[in-house]
Amino acid sequence: DTAVSQTPKYLVTQMGNDKSIKCEQNLGHDTMYWYKQDSKKFLKIMFSYNNKELIINETVPNRFSPKSPDKAHLNLHINSLELGDSAVYFCASSQASVSYEQYFGPGTRLTVT
Amino acid sequence: GNSVTQMEGPVTLSEEAFLTINCTYTATGYPSLFWYVQYPGEGLQLLLKATKADDKGSNKGFEATYRKETTSFHLEKGSVQVSDSAVYFCALLTGGFKTIFGAGTRLFVKA
Repeated sequence: DTAVSQTPKYLVTQMGNDKSIKCEQNLGHDTMYWYKQDSKKFLKIMFSYNNKELIINETVPNRFSPKSPDKAHLNLHINSLELGDSAVYFCASSQASVSYEQYFGPGTRLTVT
Repeated sequence: GNSVTQMEGPVTLSEEAFLTINCTYTATGYPSLFWYVQYPGEGLQLLLKATKADDKGSNKGFEATYRKETTSFHLEKGSVQVSDSAVYFCALLTGGFKTIFGAGTRLFVKA
């Protein structure tokens, strides 16, 4: 059983399109995150939800909008895609009462052409 | 603000060599410290952690000791294997939900 899963694994699209990435965790965790990893492996937090409430909202373009329909799911919608959005996007989850160690999904490699 | 600095890579070693990846941090309060590993094409996974000063985290032959006096959490392994080739991230968490990650250090191990 995959603990944190993301779909799709690869996403190739053109500039200006709108796309979504889905994330699901079956660990029973109460907190979920989206990270962006650039080509140099630098990891940047984008958003975090705790019990469906947005608790971290870093400085990202408002073209990026997270949505958490329930504690097990956190989706990321991106409008008007730009070349600079090309990266690997990771979803992660943690349980606040267990030292916040995070479990990461396999990543979604987004390529904007 | 809180930050993590780790040695720049890549680090290239021969199999069975000793590994040290340096990590220092700046933080208010008493952070928890972590090492995560990212194998090629995968997400990060927790390697080890320490939640208070002088704690030693260990896993899969890797160790790191939480040193408050030097604000460090260096990763060590006595004998690396080719399968240890990966990117290693040092990270800290001080209150709240926001984990601060270092820039990552890529390790290559040659047979």
